[in-house]
Formats: sequence, structure tokens, C-alpha cells
Amino acid sequence: ETGVTQTPRHLVMGMTNKKSLKCEQHLGHNAMYWYKQSAKKPLELMFVYSLEERVENNSVPSRFSPECPNSSHLFLHLHTLQPEDSALYLCASSQDRGLAGGLSTDTQYFGPGTRLTVL
Amino acid sequence: ILNVEQSPQSLHVQEGDSTNFTCSFPSSNFYALHWYRWETAKSPEALFVMTLNGDEKKKGRISATLNTKEGYSYLYIKGSQPEDSATYLCRGTYKYIFGTGTRLKVLA
Repeated sequence: ETGVTQTPRHLVMGMTNKKSLKCEQHLGHNAMYWYKQSAKKPLELMFVYSLEERVENNSVPSRFSPECPNSSHLFLHLHTLQPEDSALYLCASSQDRGLAGGLSTDTQYFGPGTRLTVL
Repeated sequence: ILNVEQSPQSLHVQEGDSTNFTCSFPSSNFYALHWYRWETAKSPEALFVMTLNGDEKKKGRISATLNTKEGYSYLYIKGSQPEDSATYLCRGTYKYIFGTGTRLKVLA
């Protein structure tokens, strides 16, 4: 248990559906992250939130919409996804996000991920 | 984009063997390097954060070294055990970029 939970663990959706991924951290951290892991690719950063403010948007298509209502919760709203969006989506948190550009010695704590399949 | 590269991509070793793998990163504007272990069906778990040239860190049978001038870090596992089987990731601190990982399989 890392103190970061994600729901659901598995999700199958059609291209016209709207769904949301949820992440919750119980560590009192100030920064939260969404990553995408596609087959045979490195973990790709999608979004960074610091103190509920989005500070990084790594050129992610608008069909992915993040929301951070408070420092403990992070959502990823999904709509009109494509089959190539099928991947493992990981949430992480850290004490702080560090300096601009990701210059940080803070450890990231990861959730178990949501395995998303888009049909 | 400043790439972080890891080699080899995958590795099979016998139980009891020692092994090592490499993380290469841009040496300019270095800030810190992170190592993580990611076991199948679990969350990535932090191993080390390394900041100073010549740093050496150890956690049980696993250790890591850092050379910021030439831009590489080595991860060593002494006397590998089946429970060491995992993907080992390194992460640079520019834009939170991860390498593709080294997938280690320790055969009993």
C-alpha cells in the first residue's frame, strides 16, 4: 500500500462513452500527477497539479480533462476516446512538485493504475 | 526533449547471480535522478533519489551509483532472488521523464 488509491482498476469503454478515473492520496501531499503507460513505451507524463492548480499539461488531447477539487483527489475525465488511448493510467503524488520543469528530489508515490480499454 | 535511456531492455539471470543495469541521462543541468522498482500488478515503488556526483546508495542487496559528469547511473543487485523480478525505472527531473525501464527476470 503506497497511500495512493485509484478506481476503477479496470475500465472498458466505447468511443462515445464518457467516464472518469479517480485518484485519492492519503499522504498529505501537495502535488499530484497523471501518467500514461502504453505498451513498450516509457511512462508519459500527462498532467501535474500543485496545490490544486494545474502546472503542467504535456500536450495532452482535450478528450482527456483533469480535475483536482482538493489536494487529496484527482480525476481524469474521459470522453470520445480512441482505441489508441487504451493504456494503463497511473496516478502519483509527491510532497511538492519542486521547481519549474520537474526539478525535484521528492519521491513520487504511485497508485496501482487503471487499465483502460477503448473499443 | 531530454531523453532518459536505460539498458538493457530486459535481462534474465539465475538465482544467486549478481547483475547491473544502466540509466543514461543528459549531464547538462542535472538536478536529481530517481530509481523505482515496478513489480507486475503493483505500483512503482521508489528505491533511491540521487543528487551528487559520486553518490552511492544502498538498500539491502540493491545499490546504485551516480556519475553526473558523464550522465549515467548504475543499479546493482547482489545475489539476485526471484522476488527481485520487476521492471526497474529511472527518472530524470526535467519534465518528470522516465526511461523505458529494464525488465529483470530472476530464474529459480
